[in-house]
Amino acid sequence: DVKVTQSSRYLVKRTGEKVFLECVQDMDHENMFWYRQDPGLGLRLIYFSYDVKMKEKGDIPEGYSVSREKKERFSLILESASTNQTSMYLCASSEMTGPDTQYFGPGTRLTVL
Amino acid sequence: AQSVSQHNHHVILSEAASLELGCNYSYGGTVNLFWYVQYPGQHLQLLLKYFSGDPLVKGIKGFEAEFIKSKFSFNLRKPSVQWSDTAEYFCAVAPSGTASKLTFGTGTRLQVTL
Repeated sequence: DVKVTQSSRYLVKRTGEKVFLECVQDMDHENMFWYRQDPGLGLRLIYFSYDVKMKEKGDIPEGYSVSREKKERFSLILESASTNQTSMYLCASSEMTGPDTQYFGPGTRLTVL
Repeated sequence: AQSVSQHNHHVILSEAASLELGCNYSYGGTVNLFWYVQYPGQHLQLLLKYFSGDPLVKGIKGFEAEFIKSKFSFNLRKPSVQWSDTAEYFCAVAPSGTASKLTFGTGTRLQVTL
């Protein structure tokens, strides 16, 4: 089975702090994704990556950046956390070729005070 | 760009009742369609998917969905729900041939009562 893990289930940070969210997948998937999930808004794509050192903006990239130095690891960075970034963050991965299914991690619930 | 609408935000059903959750999408080309489910405290997981062929697809736990191209719809159905089906359900769409960039609906929270 595909396993996608995220470094923390719960995280509390203060406004202005730099925040790192880590995601690791163990299935050698080319594609990796970061979403945020908010009540009534569903999942919204922040960034995705289809290869090491490659990244593309999703629908809501403002205030976020990403890093993919190794194939299995995809990091989401909040350079200066703000209260409106309080949310559930989900990481996912998928294969590059063919019709593909995304596999999700358990999520990190981030609270910015 | 594609979009997805889920009309039911919160559905409450008694056990054994039949379920149908609506999903409509907006996109001019060929699409891949998905239903994901998130049980309380668990991660999002795939329920079923449609890529091509038979428009009636069957997924896990007795769920099925029918792709009606003329209506741009992909409704989720289950003849008889169980208490364990209590969860949030998300419809998602991706243009065929793209690198799996999904667009999700806003989700439907299903509550099944005993």
